[in-house]
Amino acid sequence: GQNIDQPTEMTATEGAIVQINCTYQTSGFNGLFWYQQHAGEAPTFLSYNVLDGLEEKGRFSSFLSRSKGYSYLLLKELQMKDSASYLCAVMNRDDKIIFGKGTRLHILP
Amino acid sequence: DGGITQSPKYLFRKEGQNVTLSCEQNLNHDAMYWYRQDPGQGLRLIYYSQIVNDFQKGDIAEGYSVSREKKESFPLTVTSAQKNPTAFYLCASMPGGVYGYTFGSGTRLTVV
Repeated sequence: GQNIDQPTEMTATEGAIVQINCTYQTSGFNGLFWYQQHAGEAPTFLSYNVLDGLEEKGRFSSFLSRSKGYSYLLLKELQMKDSASYLCAVMNRDDKIIFGKGTRLHILP
Repeated sequence: DGGITQSPKYLFRKEGQNVTLSCEQNLNHDAMYWYRQDPGQGLRLIYYSQIVNDFQKGDIAEGYSVSREKKESFPLTVTSAQKNPTAFYLCASMPGGVYGYTFGSGTRLTVV
């Protein structure tokens, strides 16, 4: 089967760093996405990884290890507005994107 | 500005009625998708279309139907055969190749 696992909830403090992990098992691999979704809103694209390694984009970085079926999203200098759900998603060999259930991140002042 | 428009934002229907959710994009994207999201759940694929006049079932297509007569439009009909239609429905599009989705703002359907 196809499966994407990520923690259900995490809590961090404003100004700190948090790492959200994602493991996946899919039929083929054509890339991994991270999306941010605020409550009641549509997801917005954060990052895309298809090769192993770290992609940095401002305060957000995403890492991929294809051999381990593992990715993480790193958020630095956390702000209150980063309180949201973070969705890990994988595109399989059929070009279908499969989503994890999301990680709800709570930021404390 | 280019984007995806979903309408309406909120929709209420009585049990047993069919309802159609609109999705229009002016991004010139080939592929369009419909997802359903339930509380605490990830997005689940209902239907997708990669070209006009062609579409494929996703993981939870039962009780839903779609059409793709124009590149810009991909309406979703929730039929009375769908057992639990109350959910947040998201339409997305993607250009050819591998890029992130562009999502519409979603339609929250409540069946009473």
